[in-house]
Amino acid sequence: QKEVEQNSGPLSVPEGAIASLNCTYSDRGSQSFFWYRQYSGKSPELIMFIYSNGDKEDGRFTAQLNKASQYVSLLIRDSQPSDSATYLCAGFNTGNQFYFGTGTSLTVIP
Amino acid sequence: NAGVTQTPKFQVLKTGQSMTLQCAQDMNHNSMYWYRQDPGMGLRLIYYSASEGTTDKGEVPNGYNVSRLNKREFSLRLESAAPSQTSVYFCASSSDNPGTEAFFGQGTRLTVV
Repeated sequence: QKEVEQNSGPLSVPEGAIASLNCTYSDRGSQSFFWYRQYSGKSPELIMFIYSNGDKEDGRFTAQLNKASQYVSLLIRDSQPSDSATYLCAGFNTGNQFYFGTGTSLTVIP
Repeated sequence: NAGVTQTPKFQVLKTGQSMTLQCAQDMNHNSMYWYRQDPGMGLRLIYYSASEGTTDKGEVPNGYNVSRLNKREFSLRLESAAPSQTSVYFCASSSDNPGTEAFFGQGTRLTVV
């Protein structure tokens, strides 16, 4: 079992809609969680991180963490074609290592 | 402000050849990582180094060796390349603070024929 599990998609949403990306993690001791965006042929880049239960908002992005359910999500409001990319969920586990999910491919249709 | 620098960007090897991927960071980070990325597999941790002189195996260490030469540099060596090692390799670094992100290099696209 991977430490971080994601639905690989692909996920397609129309422009202006809300995109919802989810992941679960297995290490209950994991302290922080990160969402990275990766365009084809490029390196991952950080969108948001979260370490407290609840919601964290940054512009059009909202990260949600539920430690009891070991669940992390990312909502993208008013999705734009430029949001089309692969989104990687990552956890920082008790071994002080970053573990990544397999990524969810998102396409925003104009 | 270079961040994390990887070399080379592209490499083609013949089966059985060896090579070293170089990585250097200028952010004074203690932790450094090597990942490989294959279609549908996400980023898989090969090796991790928490500080100079220490290394730990990750999820997929077989066929690789690493060296943490100093705080800045963390190299990945393929002693006898195999086609299964065809992949995109990323080096990353982070501070020890659990709330801070991992910064990535630009990646190395390796093909073993």
